[in-house]
This record gives sequence, structure tokens and C-alpha cells, in this order.
Amino acid sequence: EAGVAQSPRYKIIEKRQSVAFWCNPISGHATLYWYQQILGQGPKLLIQFQNNGVVDDSQLPKDRFSAERLKGVDSTLKIQPAKLEDSAVYLCASSPGTGEGYTFGSGTRLTVV
Amino acid sequence: GNSVTQMEGPVTLSEEAFLTINCTYTATGYPSLFWYVQYPGEGLQLLLKATKADDKGSNKGFEATYRKETTSFHLEKGSVQVSDSAVYFCALKAGSSYKLIFGSGTRLLVRP
Repeated sequence: EAGVAQSPRYKIIEKRQSVAFWCNPISGHATLYWYQQILGQGPKLLIQFQNNGVVDDSQLPKDRFSAERLKGVDSTLKIQPAKLEDSAVYLCASSPGTGEGYTFGSGTRLTVV
Repeated sequence: GNSVTQMEGPVTLSEEAFLTINCTYTATGYPSLFWYVQYPGEGLQLLLKATKADDKGSNKGFEATYRKETTSFHLEKGSVQVSDSAVYFCALKAGSSYKLIFGSGTRLLVRP
């Protein structure tokens, strides 16, 4: 079974620039998550999709972050404009729809300079 | 609110030593508890889980027991190997939410 695919693996941008991350979940997984992992901290949920609908985006800084999940499959997370404090690893995960059986991708490491 | 507290690292051990990584939680109701492991350059992998009080999760020689009376879920292994060097995260999932709430992680370094 293929895992959760994320790209790019690394990204370096200047502050105030924009950036986008892509995630392809495990086939058939209804639930998709984006987590932010700042260095030295545990991952924190940014947004959760059930199929192509948003279930929880309470921790998403909506003034600069946006996410979409087209056709209930792939997802894109965008930051515009980026701030220094957005430097982190962005993890995508998926699960069959029950909240059990999470599978995480390898993440995208973002550095904002 | 719900939260997880882990012992700070790094934890440095010699091969074959006994490992304990402490984890305590605060949650309403009866959360499910998890340990995830993150090897260098890789994503988070589920190590073990427990869904109710007194359950013991185990995998690859690691084990943890869900203790409701002390709100703890400490990770243990009797004899660590160099290949166990990684960052370990304790996490919980509460109620009907699918969200995982993580501790800050504990880095384990095992020396030959």
C-alpha cells in the first residue's frame, strides 16, 4: 500500500512570499489532516477534511493560511504571506474516516528567512 | 482543555539499558492514548496504543499501560538498541474528535 505522499520535501522562502504544499493521501481514506510541527514541539492540527468538507479549522491562521481538498482526494495547503514564525515541518496525514489508523507523510520542511 | 505532558529529553542510554519515558495527560472523559515514533527524516509512525483504562499497548518490545488513576501512559522497554534512537511522542484522542493532541516529544539516543 502506498503511503501518504507530500511535496516538496524542503522549501526555503523569504518572509512575505507565498508557498504551497501538496498532499496525496492513501487511496480510499476519507479523512485528511494537516499538522504543523515547530522545532522542539509536538505536531498541532491546522485543519481536518472529511472527504472535501472542512471538519475542524479552528487552529488555522485564516488571515494567511488556506487549504483545499479538491474532489475529496489531494489537498493543498497555502501560506500567503509567510512569516518567520511559520518555519516548521508541515505534516499531512490521512485515515479511513473513523479517526483510527492514521498514516503520516514524511512532511515538508519550510524555512522562512 | 486536553493536553499531554512528556518528560524533556534528550534521554541518553547505553545499548541494552532499560527505558522509561514519562507521559501524563489531562482530558475530559476517556481518551485513547498513543505513542508515536519519528525516526530521522521520516514521518510519524504509530508505535502502540491503548483505548481504555488498564489496557496495555505493546509493539517491538515497547509497552505502555493506560493508568486512569494517575492519568499516565509511560513508555517502557526492557533493553534498548541503537536502532531505537528516535523522537517519541505521546498523544491522545478525546471524545468523538479525530484530532490527535501531542506532547512535545522526547529524543532518545542509544549509544553502542
